[in-house]
Amino acid sequence: GDSVTQMEGPVTLSEEAFLTINCTYTATGYPSLFWYVQYPGEGLQLLLKATKADDKGSNKGFEATYRKETTSFHLEKGSVQVSDSAVYFCALRANNNDMRFGAGTRLTVKP
Amino acid sequence: DTAVSQTPKYLVTQMGNDKSIKCEQNLGHDTMYWYKQDSKKFLKIMFSYNNKELIINETVPNRFSPKSPDKAHLNLHINSLELGDSAVYFCASSNIGTGELFFGEGSRLTVL
Repeated sequence: GDSVTQMEGPVTLSEEAFLTINCTYTATGYPSLFWYVQYPGEGLQLLLKATKADDKGSNKGFEATYRKETTSFHLEKGSVQVSDSAVYFCALRANNNDMRFGAGTRLTVKP
Repeated sequence: DTAVSQTPKYLVTQMGNDKSIKCEQNLGHDTMYWYKQDSKKFLKIMFSYNNKELIINETVPNRFSPKSPDKAHLNLHINSLELGDSAVYFCASSNIGTGELFFGEGSRLTVL
């Protein structure tokens, strides 16, 4: 069935470091792809999304490009801040509208 | 104005008890969901309702029963609670067309 696989954490970076969190997917058809972020003690929030191949989603300095040829949707940020510390989830919405989440990657940014 | 609100935020109870978690959304969405998040942050979909009809039901024990009095509410009732039910339960809503899910803040259930 449709699924996403994201890099295992935890990831610990220093402030202003470059961030990449890898995400690959398996799906039939053409799913929409999402990154959600969960700050401590809160629910998940949409960070960015892309609905078709070669689309780039971006928000708050984060970016991800929908790569059909590599079935990937890697999350990147050029310079992380302490406030970016959270758990990040890659997700896909399959043709049956079921939203499938990856296992989550915990990011800790140290000052 | 909270878009998706769920109550209670924390719930501590004994094994064997029955409990309910309520969820309301004021976004006018047509679909609502319940997710379970375990201690490792893994998210598992439990149920979704679209216009009062159950459209997804993963392999969840029948001790869990969703109840939707109207399309703005989806409550989760759990009978005969077990230790393994301890988790954070998230309610979410969406419109099928847009795909984006809006989540509540979660209800942390602890079964002793």
